[in-house]
Formats: sequence, structure tokens, C-alpha cells
Amino acid sequence: NAGVTQTPKFQVLKTGQSMTLQCAQDMNHNSMYWYRQDPGMGLRLIYYSASEGTTDKGEVPNGYNVSRLNKREFSLRLESAAPSQTSVYFCASTGWGLDPDEQYFGPGTRLTVT
Amino acid sequence: KNEVEQSPQNLTAQEGEFITINCSYSVGISALHWLQQHPGGGIVSLFMLSSGKKKHGRLIATINIQEKHSSLHITASHPRDSAVYICAALFGNEKLTFGTGTRLTIIP
Repeated sequence: NAGVTQTPKFQVLKTGQSMTLQCAQDMNHNSMYWYRQDPGMGLRLIYYSASEGTTDKGEVPNGYNVSRLNKREFSLRLESAAPSQTSVYFCASTGWGLDPDEQYFGPGTRLTVT
Repeated sequence: KNEVEQSPQNLTAQEGEFITINCSYSVGISALHWLQQHPGGGIVSLFMLSSGKKKHGRLIATINIQEKHSSLHITASHPRDSAVYICAALFGNEKLTFGTGTRLTIIP
């Protein structure tokens, strides 16, 4: 099992450009998450998807859109990148059976917006 | 408001020392996670617990529900334990709230 995979690993954008961060998991998990991590701050939830076909805003959704393409894939789109979106982005997934389950994280995408 | 606080922010210790990292949270939780973030950036789950104590090798996690407090202990610390340790609380729904992390450095 590859676990949670993310692409790309690194990206540099100019202000106003758009891009999509891809995430996929092969653990048959229902729930998937997008977080951003900034220096001195904890991981913050951007969007999450509790199941295929559903998405909900997290703590910091402004400037982002998401798409839960199928059970495996959950993409994050920046329509018009801004320097404030310079960050490290992590995708994660979890099973949520009868009990809370561990979260499994992708390797991260380091995004710089100039 | 659902909040998670960790202490200390930074911790430097000599190899072999016993390490304790603390995490407190504001209201009742369903579960608490301890995560490790390596210098290269990857995040792995160490423990998930809702009561009592769990042990994995040299790592021990405890939680006191009444005091809204959890600790992560490392026995016989080693330089390879150097990492950022993050606690995250599940406040009853499917979303985690994360602490800001403790940067641990173990000196040989």
C-alpha cells in the first residue's frame, strides 16, 4: 500500500496563477482532509470530505476549492494564488469506523507564491 | 472554543534523558493523537488514545480525562528522536484541532 500520496512535492507560483494539488489514498478511507502548516502555527484545516461526494469548509477555506472525485482522490485548487498561501500543504485520510481512527498523512507539498 | 496547548515549545536534552512533552485541551474530547514530524517534513501517527496509557517501544502516552491533559514520554532518548511532536484533539466530531508542536533536539 502506498498510503496517502500527494503531488507535486514542490511548486512555485506567481501571484494570480492557479494550480491543483492532488491527493490519493489506497486505504479505502471515507474521510479525507487538506491542511496547511505555517511556521509557529499548528496544522489548520482547509477543507475536509467525510465521504465521496461531500465536502465541508474547515478553519481557513478562503481562496481554496476542493473536489472529492471519488473515494480515493481529493484535490485542492488555488484559483488565484496569493503570497499568503505560501505554506506546506498536507493531505490526510482516516477510516472512521465505529471508533475514532488514526489519521494518515501524505508527504506534503511545499508551495511558494511570489 | 476548542483549543489545544502544548509545552514546552522547544526542548533540548542529552542523549539518554527521560523526556516529557505536555498537552492540555479546553473541553472534553473523544480522542487525542500524538504525531511525530520528522526534519524532512513527513508526519506519522504515534498514538491515538481516549483513556489511560499506551506504550510503543520507548514511547509512552498517557491521558487524564478529568484534568484534560496528556503527556508523551520518551525513555532513554536518542538523537534519532529529534523531531517535532504534535498533539491533536478530537472534540467530538471528525475534525482534529492541533497544538503548535514541541521541537525536541537530543544531543549525543
